[in-house]
Amino acid sequence: GAVVSQHPSWVICKSGTSVKIECRSLDFQATTMFWYRQFPKQSLMLMATSNEGSKATYEQGVEKDKFLINHASLTLSTLTVTSAHPEDSSFYICSARSAHRLYEQYFGPGTRLTVT
Amino acid sequence: SQQGEEDPQALSIQEGENATMNCSYKTSINNLQWYRQNSGRGLVHLILIRSNEREKHSGRLRVTLDTSKKSSSLLITASRAADTASYFCATDQGSNYKLTFGKGTLLTVNP
Repeated sequence: GAVVSQHPSWVICKSGTSVKIECRSLDFQATTMFWYRQFPKQSLMLMATSNEGSKATYEQGVEKDKFLINHASLTLSTLTVTSAHPEDSSFYICSARSAHRLYEQYFGPGTRLTVT
Repeated sequence: SQQGEEDPQALSIQEGENATMNCSYKTSINNLQWYRQNSGRGLVHLILIRSNEREKHSGRLRVTLDTSKKSSSLLITASRAADTASYFCATDQGSNYKLTFGKGTLLTVNP
């Protein structure tokens, strides 16, 4: 149980375009989902926290207009990178947790974004 | 900002040897967790230790937590080539249980 999927697993896009990444909890209801980014050989940095049905909370320094997060259902959250630039190229990982076990996050396999 | 700091940043050992990685953090925590990440992949949860626990075992893994020193260690015994990966500690604080990750240790186990 507790499987989280991400789609796509990798994407290449041109500078200036927008890219949407989906994060789904497959076998549980995720009241909260988290989005992280990871640069090569670095750690995960939390970008934002999204609760189902409410606006996402962004970490300091993360542009909310650039990284649009929607958590419209208990099993799906999306991250849209708008007007992508090469410096947005990174590994994006989502995680999900239920309301019953706040300390457990289940991680997706990640999405590799390359902006050319 | 990063809560956890792992050391060493990189560790290279021979198969069969033990590997020890350390993690330090700065503020009070609810729990500390260790994750493994193979190159270019997602995170695999290894073990969680609560702030009121001092030691925990899971298979070949042994985790210790010293809240007075704000540090934790992960010991992998009898390492295997398949243990080659990056290992991260992550702490959660407060009522929202957001995770803060350390910088990670890259472990290479040579066959």
